[in-house]
Amino acid sequence: EDQVTQSPEALRLQEGESSSLNCSYTVSGLRGLFWYRQDPGKGPEFLFTLYSAGEEKEKERLKATLTKKESFLHITAPKPEDSATYLCAVRVTQGGSEKLVFGKGTKLTVNP
Amino acid sequence: SAVISQKPSRDICQRGTSLTIQCQVDSQVTMMFWYRQQPGQSLTLIATANQGSEATYESGFVIDKFPISRPNLTFSTLTVSNMSPEDSSIYLCSVAPKGGEQYFGPGTRLTVT
Repeated sequence: EDQVTQSPEALRLQEGESSSLNCSYTVSGLRGLFWYRQDPGKGPEFLFTLYSAGEEKEKERLKATLTKKESFLHITAPKPEDSATYLCAVRVTQGGSEKLVFGKGTKLTVNP
Repeated sequence: SAVISQKPSRDICQRGTSLTIQCQVDSQVTMMFWYRQQPGQSLTLIATANQGSEATYESGFVIDKFPISRPNLTFSTLTVSNMSPEDSSIYLCSVAPKGGEQYFGPGTRLTVT
């Protein structure tokens, strides 16, 4: 069964305190790994797509990396506005069609 | 990317009734997706809706409970039928304009009393 596990479930940081979020996956056929940001009361906002081990993507204070079994979302010198829930999803092929399988997310709180 | 709107944004419904959620996209897309996000749980795909064909439902979801319409390439509806408190959730639609990443609407927060 395709599974995505995110850790930690919640993370509190002080402004400027860098850290990483983890997304580990067990899938039969990975066809892309996606990171999303979700603010309370809103839909997920797309951040990154990674397709192959060793690939990295950056956007402002965020950098996503991918290995064969997990992905990391590194947050450098976070600000309070980075507070959100970060979701990881993998695209897999099941029954001839493609679908996204999501983790439960990591709720990040950045205190000023 | 794509701009997606959903109606209603939230609703409180009584047990046994039905609610239809609308999803409108600002561009033509082949596939639209419907998800459920329950408190503390991950997003779960309910079904994939292609224009001009029957929706494809994921395991655990059936057409009688969650009928979907897809009348054109920019619009879809999801109906939650014969609701119970267990249906209280956020319902989201999404699209994948280029077949890669999906873009999500703002969601519909449903509470069933």
